[in-house]
Formats: sequence, structure tokens, C-alpha cells
Amino acid sequence: AQTVTQSQPEMSVQEAETVTLSCTYDTSESNYYLFWYKQPPSRQMILVIRQEAYKQQNATENRFSVNFQKAAKSFSLKISDSQLGDTAMYFCAFMKLGGAQKLVFGQGTRLTINP
Amino acid sequence: IAGITQAPTSQILAAGRRMTLRCTQDMRHNAMYWYRQDLGLGLRLIHYSNTAGTTGKGEVPDGYSVSRANTDDFPLTLASAVPSQTSVYFCASSPNSGRGDEQFFGPGTRLTVL
Repeated sequence: AQTVTQSQPEMSVQEAETVTLSCTYDTSESNYYLFWYKQPPSRQMILVIRQEAYKQQNATENRFSVNFQKAAKSFSLKISDSQLGDTAMYFCAFMKLGGAQKLVFGQGTRLTINP
Repeated sequence: IAGITQAPTSQILAAGRRMTLRCTQDMRHNAMYWYRQDLGLGLRLIHYSNTAGTTGKGEVPDGYSVSRANTDDFPLTLASAVPSQTSVYFCASSPNSGRGDEQFFGPGTRLTVL
């Protein structure tokens, strides 16, 4: 079974700073996807970024980028030039390729951006 | 507006009662999912359906049942609710299963079992 661990329950930074959220996972699979989802106070789950394990290049989406270290089973999210609207719970998630598309989530990191 | 709707938004339920949470999507997605969210545990998969007419068990299926009679609807039923089923429930869908497709989530249902 796969497990996903987010070791930072809470983080807080000032607006415009850069922040990195950590995520590690455990799996024996070689083909999989990794995701970061954002959950603002509205409770809506929003996809931030996705990484295919077979791609060595780190995914980027505007101010959001990942540092994917496959051998270390690490998948951190970097938010550059943080904005007040980035305040949310952030969840790291794992999905095995093939079969049922089950997402396995980490416990979440509550990120607060201060003005 | 295309997306996923869930009903009710919130519900308080007496223990032992039967409850069905409704989920409807209009994106013609093949795959649908039910998750529960609990503080400190993230989201955990309850049941899923890869396509209409099929269902499967997730990580925490006990006490829950689902059906998938058509593409759009995926109701979740608690046959006899217990306090440990107090949670926020999310329905999600994806175009297909097994390909790493993004899962789109509904707004959630907050359920309290007393």
C-alpha cells in the first residue's frame, strides 16, 4: 500500500515570500502520478500541479513549481511570490498508474500568507 | 455551469438513521469517487466507480454503499449512521481511470452524526 506523509502541519509566511511545502511518499510502484491540491476556506478542492513519475523535468504552473526527487520519494511544492489568496490547506497526493484511479492523500499542510 | 453538485450541503443526523448523499456530474466523466475528510487524516477514498454499472471499494468502505446506475449520478448511502461517520464528504470525477487524469471535486457535504 502507498502512503503519503506531509510533515509540516502548519506554515506561515509573509506576502511576496517564497515558501516550500514538503511531501514524501512510500511506494513500490514505478509508474505513478503525484499531485498537489489546494483547499481554501471555501472547502473546494483545486488542483495546483501534477507530475508524472516518468518525467524527470519538474512540473511548473506559473508561481507554483515542484522539486520531484524520485529516488528519495520526495515531492515538494514551491510557491514563489506568495499572495494572500494562497492561504489554504495544501494536500499532496499519489496515484498509481493503471487500474482504478485512486488518490492517496497526505495529512495536509495549513499555509497562511500574512500581509 | 459544468461541474459536480452534491446535496445536501450539510446535515445533522441521529445515530442509526439511514442517509443518502447525492452526487451528480454533468461532464460525462466515466469515473467517480467518494472521499471523506477528517482533521489530521487528509482525504480517504471510500468507494469508486470506473464506469457506469461498476463500483469498487476504497480504503475505508465499511458502513457505506454506492451505486452507479448511470454516468451522471453516484449516490453514497449510510445504512445505519454512527458517530464515527461524522465527516466532510467529497464526491469527485475524472474523465477516465488509470491514466492520471485530474479528479474534479464537488463542494462537499458536512455530515454530523449524533
